[in-house]
Amino acid sequence: NAGVTQTPKFQVLKTGQSMTLQCAQDMNHNSMYWYRQDPGMGLRLIYYSASEGTTDKGEVPNGYNVSRLNKREFSLRLESAAPSQTSVYFCASSEALRAGSEDFGDGTRLSIL
Amino acid sequence: AQKVTQAQTEISVVEKEDVTLDCVYETRDTTYYLFWYKQPPSGELVFLIRRNSFDEQNEISGRYSWNFQKSTSSFNFTITASQVVDSAVYFCALSEAPSSARQLTFGSGTQLTVLP
Repeated sequence: NAGVTQTPKFQVLKTGQSMTLQCAQDMNHNSMYWYRQDPGMGLRLIYYSASEGTTDKGEVPNGYNVSRLNKREFSLRLESAAPSQTSVYFCASSEALRAGSEDFGDGTRLSIL
Repeated sequence: AQKVTQAQTEISVVEKEDVTLDCVYETRDTTYYLFWYKQPPSGELVFLIRRNSFDEQNEISGRYSWNFQKSTSSFNFTITASQVVDSAVYFCALSEAPSSARQLTFGSGTQLTVLP
């Protein structure tokens, strides 16, 4: 049971390049999330998907787009990367209405030069 | 709006000392959930505990214990007899009661260093 899998683990981009971060979960969870973590800060929610076919903005959505491809997969796209988007990105999933926690992926460390 | 404050940015203790990490939260909701996560140097997030707003019982799990006090909007975390392996960043987080998705609001974290 892999849990939440994120790819890639590391990436360096140049300003203006585009990129898609991939996330997949194998726990049959309905809800999926993308967070970013900047140095000295907690995680901040970028976008989330309450269920397949729906997506909503979180606290810091500007500069990002998401796609809930199916129940398992939730991708995050940077259309035109900016240095301010240098961060560690975490994907998470949860079965919202049941007791438990969010399950987090191991993170993607993204640097934009 | 929800807010979580972890006023202690960094704490250093010597092994075997007890240490308490503070967490203060703000929310207008009457039903909510509180969490603690551990982030070791390797970077992953490790779930430690989830507590709902109706359950104010303190919880103990091995060397870990949590003190939830609604009257002071606090959810503090104590490590007893700390060990070097406890060195990590610890995050407190808050979410509303889920209707569909549960979105977490994180504090800024407390860096705990346990010295041998």
